[in-house]
Amino acid sequence: ELKVEQNPLFLSMQEGKNYTIYCNYSTTSDRLYWYRQDPGKSLESLFVLLSNGAVKQEGRLMASLDTKARLSTLHITAAVHDLSATYFCAANTNAGKSTFGDGTTLTVKP
Amino acid sequence: KAGVTQTPRYLIKTRGQQVTLSCSPISGHRSVSWYQQTPGQGLQFLFEYFSETQRNKGNFPGRFSGRQFSNSRSEMNVSTLELGDSALYLCASSIGTGAGNTIYFGEGSWLTVV
Repeated sequence: ELKVEQNPLFLSMQEGKNYTIYCNYSTTSDRLYWYRQDPGKSLESLFVLLSNGAVKQEGRLMASLDTKARLSTLHITAAVHDLSATYFCAANTNAGKSTFGDGTTLTVKP
Repeated sequence: KAGVTQTPRYLIKTRGQQVTLSCSPISGHRSVSWYQQTPGQGLQFLFEYFSETQRNKGNFPGRFSGRQFSNSRSEMNVSTLELGDSALYLCASSIGTGAGNTIYFGEGSWLTVV
C-alpha cells in the first residue's frame, strides 16, 4: 500500500527566506503532484512530475522528483505572504488512484 | 471557459439519510475523480471515472458509490449517512487519463451530517 509522508507539517517562515518541503512515498509511483489549498477553498494544481530528475518551476516555487529515493521536494525561494497556504503532495498508483500526504501548512510572516 | 462545477455547495443531512453530489467537468474533459477531505483523515481518493467507466476506487465502504454519464458529468452517492461522513467532497476533472494532464478541482460540496 502506497504511503506518502510530508514534512514538516507546519512551517513558519519570514518573508524573503528560503525553505524546502519534503515528500516521501513508499512504493513506485508513476507521477507526483503538488497542490496548494487556501483556507476554506479547494485545491489548486501546482505541478505534476513524471520522471526521475524532473524539475518544474513557477514563480517562487520549484518542485523536483527523485524516483530512486522516492522523494519529491517543493522549494520556496524568497517567500512572500501570498504563499501562505497548505501544500499537499500526492503520489499515484494504478494511474489515477492518488494517495495524499498530510499537507504542510505554510505561514509567511513579514 | 467554465471550470469544474459542483452542486450543491453546502448541505446538511441527518444520519441514516442518503445524499447525491453532482459534478460537471470542464467542457471536453472526460476524466473525473472524487476526493473526500476531513480534518481527521485528510484527503482521500474516492473514485476515478473515464468514459463512463470506473477505473479506480479508493478504500471506502460500499455505501459510497458513483457513476459517470455519457456527457462526462458525474455523481456520487452516499447511503446510510454516518456522522463521520461529514466532509468536503471534491471533484476534479482532466482531459484524459494521461500522466501529465493537469487536474482541475471544483469548489467542493460541504456535507454536514447531524
